[in-house]
Amino acid sequence: GENVEQHPSTLSVQEGDSAVIKCTYSDSASNYFPWYKQELGKGPQLIIDIRSNVGEKKDQRIAVTLNKTAKHFSLHITETQPEDSAVYFCAASKAGGGADGLTFGKGTHLIIQP
Amino acid sequence: DAGVIQSPRHEVTEMGQEVTLRCKPISGHNSLFWYRQTMMRGLELLIYFNNNVPIDDSGMPEDRFSAKMPNASFSTLKIQPSEPRDSAVYFCASSPPGGREQYFGPGTRLTVT
Repeated sequence: GENVEQHPSTLSVQEGDSAVIKCTYSDSASNYFPWYKQELGKGPQLIIDIRSNVGEKKDQRIAVTLNKTAKHFSLHITETQPEDSAVYFCAASKAGGGADGLTFGKGTHLIIQP
Repeated sequence: DAGVIQSPRHEVTEMGQEVTLRCKPISGHNSLFWYRQTMMRGLELLIYFNNNVPIDDSGMPEDRFSAKMPNASFSTLKIQPSEPRDSAVYFCASSPPGGREQYFGPGTRLTVT
């Protein structure tokens, strides 16, 4: 089955700096890669996703890149703010026309230092 | 619009008791997923349904776990009998027709003593 590795487990950055979280996946058939943000006591919230036919996607301060050859994808957050502090999860799935079960990485605790 | 609704939010029970967790997906969504989150194992898929039909239950840990989706607006996850190692946060998520994005509920924190 699919295996998703995520690094680092903890990331501390100064407010205003950029943060990068990296994930690798094992199954070359995976074609959908979402990123979730989880705040304490809440469910994971989808923040951005990318499909295998796209190399990069950007939404305001958040961007995701995908390297299918290396089976590697990354989340980039620019101009970090205190409200970006949370646990971030990457995930992968292979699906046809609709949703399929997600395999998650172990998460990255992002700490924004004021 | 209301998101995914889960109940109860917290459940404390004794070992050996039956536990039932409930989920109401977002209206119009036709795929429903149950996940479990623990410190040791992270977020794991337990089972998912498409149009009320179970598609993949390979993540269900053992026969003590069962899930049903009697209609498009309701699903249950039952543990009978419960054990301390079942303590975790259980999440339900739903997805719209043809879509891949999954929207998670707030979770049920289960503690089995």
